[in-house]
Amino acid sequence: DQQVKQNSPSLSVQEGRISILNCDYTNSMFDYFLWYKKYPAEGPTFLISISSIKDKNEDGRFTVFLNKSAKHLSLHIVPSQPGDSAVYFCAASGWGSSNTGKLIFGQGTTLQVKP
Amino acid sequence: DGGITQSPKYLFRKEGQNVTLSCEQNLNHDAMYWYRQDPGQGLRLIYYSQIVNDFQKGDIAEGYSVSREKKESFPLTVTSAQKNPTAFYLCASSPTPPGQGYTFGSGTRLTVV
Repeated sequence: DQQVKQNSPSLSVQEGRISILNCDYTNSMFDYFLWYKKYPAEGPTFLISISSIKDKNEDGRFTVFLNKSAKHLSLHIVPSQPGDSAVYFCAASGWGSSNTGKLIFGQGTTLQVKP
Repeated sequence: DGGITQSPKYLFRKEGQNVTLSCEQNLNHDAMYWYRQDPGQGLRLIYYSQIVNDFQKGDIAEGYSVSREKKESFPLTVTSAQKNPTAFYLCASSPTPPGQGYTFGSGTRLTVV
């Protein structure tokens, strides 16, 4: 059972435009959500996170939105740059659940930003 | 600089041989994890350890084994029982609770021929 889902395997946007990456989850015990960025043959790097007590967190060009009632989060990148081209993983964790704090990852979305 | 080191970067093994992937961290993190990445399947958890001398199976532990004799080290052995071992393997560590999440190593690409 996939508890964290990224239903779009790929996304292509033009440089300077907004990129919106989506993520859905099923476990209501998740209380912390993260986005990671990954280049080929490298480990993922932390990008931005959000706690379940918030609905928005912003860091420069990156903003994460959380809709708890819909169990949905999204990552907005504005403006998109060619260097943003990578695989983006959504992840969730929750203490007090069987996850014991470990991260559950989505399948990833490959973002391509065209010059 | 603190970090997490995986070695080697690329590894080739013959079918039927066991192979051990190294993971070392100097971040003083309590928890360590092994993930496997396959195309279209994201990151799947193999094993994790939240404290020395203790570890738990993840979602795809069959054919793998681990040990956690030291806080800094969490080696993963891919045994001959693993039916499809060719993959990109990622090690990560985190404080307990994870707080800001994991720190990942740069990965090991294992190819079994």
